[in-house]
Amino acid sequence: DAGITQSPRYKITETGRQVTLMCHQTWSHSYMFWYRQDLGHGLRLIYYSAAADITDKGEVPDGYVVSRSKTENFPLTLESATRSQTSVYFCASKTRRRGEQFFGPGTRLTVL
Amino acid sequence: AQSVTQPDIHITVSEGASLELRCNYSYGATPYLFWYVQSPGQGLQLLLKYFSGDTLVQGIKGFEAEFKRSQSSFNLRKPSVHWSDAAEYFCAVGALVHFGNEKLTFGTGTRLTIIP
Repeated sequence: DAGITQSPRYKITETGRQVTLMCHQTWSHSYMFWYRQDLGHGLRLIYYSAAADITDKGEVPDGYVVSRSKTENFPLTLESATRSQTSVYFCASKTRRRGEQFFGPGTRLTVL
Repeated sequence: AQSVTQPDIHITVSEGASLELRCNYSYGATPYLFWYVQSPGQGLQLLLKYFSGDTLVQGIKGFEAEFKRSQSSFNLRKPSVHWSDAAEYFCAVGALVHFGNEKLTFGTGTRLTIIP
């Protein structure tokens, strides 16, 4: 099924564990993004990528790592999860330098 | 740095009434502006966007927005709301960053409640 998907949709983990959130898009979009959504903050950009092997930090990158070895995948890793990383995470992609971003359904992560 | 302000955290309107959601932005160059909608438990869906040209833009679901450069505003309007419009609405401004990319800066959102 075409589009942008995220997995898992829900995840509960413990402080200190490593967690990887997956994002996959079938459009071959060049640009991909990771956001976190928290009450009172809206969406904040964590990392973004302009193409395979090209990534850069966003507004709140601390504690997160990304990679992009293939155009269609953009995993987000929390190397040592903390309670402050409890959030809803959204992946997005777009085809053009300036334009609409298409969002995935989100992953709700709880860190105990 | 760019920023977006949505001054209304929560708005309640009656079904059939008109709606206006406020958005003010700060950006040094010509802005690209967006309105997204998020239904409960869902991702974000684009309602409309402004890149250039006509300052009144039409979107999906009967929404429109007007870009006013002098007021740094991009308010969202709908003449008659439906119960299905209940959702969270986000305004965003696009800014150019590294690699010629554009990143979005979002406002904190306005939650819309519709009453019968």
